[in-house]
Amino acid sequence: QKEVEQNSGPLSVPEGAIASLNCTYSDRVSQSFFWYRQYSGKSPELIMSIYSNGDKEDGRFTAQLNKASQYVSLLIRDSQPSDSATYLCAILPSNDYKLSFGAGTTVTVRA
Amino acid sequence: DAEITQSPRHKITETGRQVTLACHQTWNHNNMFWYRQDLGHGLRLIHYSYGVQDTNKGEVSDGYSVSRSNTEDLPLTLESAASSQTSVYFCASSEFRTGAYNEQFFGPGTRLTVL
Repeated sequence: QKEVEQNSGPLSVPEGAIASLNCTYSDRVSQSFFWYRQYSGKSPELIMSIYSNGDKEDGRFTAQLNKASQYVSLLIRDSQPSDSATYLCAILPSNDYKLSFGAGTTVTVRA
Repeated sequence: DAEITQSPRHKITETGRQVTLACHQTWNHNNMFWYRQDLGHGLRLIHYSYGVQDTNKGEVSDGYSVSRSNTEDLPLTLESAASSQTSVYFCASSEFRTGAYNEQFFGPGTRLTVL
């Protein structure tokens, strides 16, 4: 089993809709959780970090963490064409500084 | 503003040549990482360093080496370039501290082609 698994995608949503991205992880003692956005031909850009169970909102983005279920998600509200990108989930274990990355989910927002 | 830069941004080389990719960060981060990204494989860790004189192998380290002589730089060397090393290479850095977050920030990448 991979350490970090993301829904495979691609995910196509209409403009203005909610895009929902999911990520599960296998290491129960993982400490910190990140979502990166990567546009085609560009480097990953950190968009959300979450540490505690519950929701964390930043503009149109909401990260949700459930450590008991080993699940982290990212919601993109009012999706815009500029949100079309690949989204990478990353997990930081409690005893290391190396991130474990998921394979990414590609989102396309159609106008 | 603090940043992380990579050079060159694009490089074409021939099989068997030695190539060095530069990574420089002004965040004063202790942790630095090198990844490669290929279609179908996602981000894979090549080497990493947690401080000056510290280097460690990642999951795909064969054929690559790094050295860390100061906090700001972690150059990646391909000892004898192979076509299988054609890829996009990303450098990243993060702080050395326990606790939450330890966000990792990426450089712009180097696209390497080995002919």
